[in-house]
Parts: sequence; structure tokens; C-alpha cells
Amino acid sequence: ETGVTQTPRHLVMGMTNKKSLKCEQHLGHNAMYWYKQSAKKPLELMFVYSLEERVENNSVPSRFSPECPNSSHLFLHLHTLQPEDSALYLCASSQRLAASTDTQYFGPGTRLTVL
Amino acid sequence: GENVEQHPSTLSVQEGDSAVIKCTYSDSASNYFPWYKQELGKGPQLIIDIRSNVGEKKDQRIAVTLNKTAKHFSLHITETQPEDSAVYFCAASSYGQNFVFGPGTRLSVLP
Repeated sequence: ETGVTQTPRHLVMGMTNKKSLKCEQHLGHNAMYWYKQSAKKPLELMFVYSLEERVENNSVPSRFSPECPNSSHLFLHLHTLQPEDSALYLCASSQRLAASTDTQYFGPGTRLTVL
Repeated sequence: GENVEQHPSTLSVQEGDSAVIKCTYSDSASNYFPWYKQELGKGPQLIIDIRSNVGEKKDQRIAVTLNKTAKHFSLHITETQPEDSAVYFCAASSYGQNFVFGPGTRLSVLP
């Protein structure tokens, strides 16, 4: 256990559905991240939050909408997704943002399948 | 920006042999290099890391070496065991920058 939990672990949704992914960290960290992991590709950083403020959006389509209500929780709201959005979505946290030597701790991920 | 390459993409070794995975980075300002292990159905887990003021770090069967001049760092696993089979990712970061990950190496330890 890394102290970062994600729910659900698996999600199947149609292209017209709306769903949300949840991440919770129990480490007292101030920075949280969403990554997308597709087969045979490097981890893609999607969003970065520091102290509940979004500080980075790496050209992610608007059908992905993040929310960080407090420093322990991070959500990823999904709507009208495409089949190519099927992937493993990973949440991570670190003590500080971009402090270079602060390790990122990952959750187990949500395996998303879009039909 | 930073670019991290990782080789090989797949590696098979016999149980008990050593495995070496190498990463190169492009940004000379990078000063932190973690290695993650990702088992099937799980998220990446940190296994060892090294900072740029250190040339080598060891933790039991795992070691990491850093060559700042050549801008490469390597993961060494000795006496491999079947439970070492996983995908391994390297990453590089510098102050003010997010982690940049390598594409991963799938290690298979054959009994």
C-alpha cells in the first residue's frame, strides 16, 4: 500500500455516459497528479494540482474534467469519451509540487474501457 | 524539455542472473532519478531513487548508478527471482519541472 487509493478499480462505460474517478491520498501531500497509461506508451501527465489549485493541463481534451476539493482528494470527471480513451488512469501525489526530489507515490489505477 | 529514453524495452533473464536496464536523459539540470516497478494490475511502486550528488546507491539486490557526465543512469538487479518480473520505469526531474518517465522495460525472469 502506497497511501494512495483509487476507485473504482475497473470501469466500463459507453460513449454517452458520465462517470467519475476518485483518488484519495493519506500521506499529507500537497500535490496530486492524474496520469494516463496506454499500452506501449510512456506515462502521460494529464493534470497537476498543488494545494487544490490546478497548475498544469497538458492539452487534455475537455471531455476530461478534474476537480480537487481539498488536498487529499482528486476527481476526474468523464463525459462523452471515445474508445481511444480506454487506458489505465493513475493518480499520484507528492509532498510538494515540482520540488524535483520529492518522490511521487502512485495509486493502483482505474482500468477504464470505453465501448 | 527533458526527454528520457530507456533500453531495452523487453528483457528476459534466467532466475539467478543479473538484469540491467539503462536510461538516458537530455536535460543536464535533472537532479533526481527514481525507478518504479509496476506489476500486473497495480500502479507503479518506487523501488529505488538517486540524487545527482550521489554516483551509486544500493538496496539489497537492487542498485542504481548515475553518470552525470554521460547523462545516463542504470538499474541493476542481482540474483533475479520470478517475483522481479514486472515493468520497470525510470524517470528524471529537476527543480520546477515534473517527472518525465521512460517508456518502460518489461522484465521476465525465467525459472
